Amino acid sequence: QSALTQPRSVSGSPGQSVTISCTGTSSDVGGYNYVSWYQQHPGKAPKLMIYDVSKRPSGVPDRFSGSKSGNTASLTISGLQAEDEADYYCCSYAGSYTRFVFGTGTKVTVL
Amino acid sequence: QVQLQESGPGLVKPSQTLSLTCTVSGGSISSGGYYWSWIRQHPGKGLEWIGYIYYSGSTYYNPSLKSRVTISVDTSKNQFSLKLSSVTAADTAVYYCARERMSGYYPTYRFDYWGQGTLVTVSS
Repeated sequence: QSALTQPRSVSGSPGQSVTISCTGTSSDVGGYNYVSWYQQHPGKAPKLMIYDVSKRPSGVPDRFSGSKSGNTASLTISGLQAEDEADYYCCSYAGSYTRFVFGTGTKVTVL
Repeated sequence: QVQLQESGPGLVKPSQTLSLTCTVSGGSISSGGYYWSWIRQHPGKGLEWIGYIYYSGSTYYNPSLKSRVTISVDTSKNQFSLKLSSVTAADTAVYYCARERMSGYYPTYRFDYWGQGTLVTVSS
């Protein structure tokens, strides 16, 4: 099972919006509505930001939103803030055999 | 507030067995309702799910690592452990333990709590 494909980096100015794509196949992203997104600051543990494609855990700002079209999921950060600068990883359920596949990771830079 | 903390040697020799323990606080493993996973991150790269254990001892491993992985649980200590045998330099990574919530009898396929991670280097 290959890793999900994410852009290596995206950037934006404070207040702007950025979108991170996560491309898989019909065996993972396209086949199930179990895409999650994790934020990771340097040296820290990943933090769940989005689950089930578009749901936010309590405490996650509504600036973070998720969506999916076909084999590609997306995470959008609206009203970008300095503390959003981090690495972001997508993750998809990939069936009962493989179970999980993660994305390659995207570094978000706030200019 | 649930907390997970990994512990174990930071340096392992090639061909030996990597052993790590995750201690859970703020909640009981034996209460059920969660899968307890190990996930690793190679330096500068993405994440890889290794496998999970349920409090009853049932496990499931990533097929790519299955032949070398054993995950066990000690409910009396509220801990679960990872053993990875025959390690090589390719096993050098930060190893995380994480919790996957269940909804009734069904997994939810999301990790809601993670440990801070521990770097394991495989080198002679």
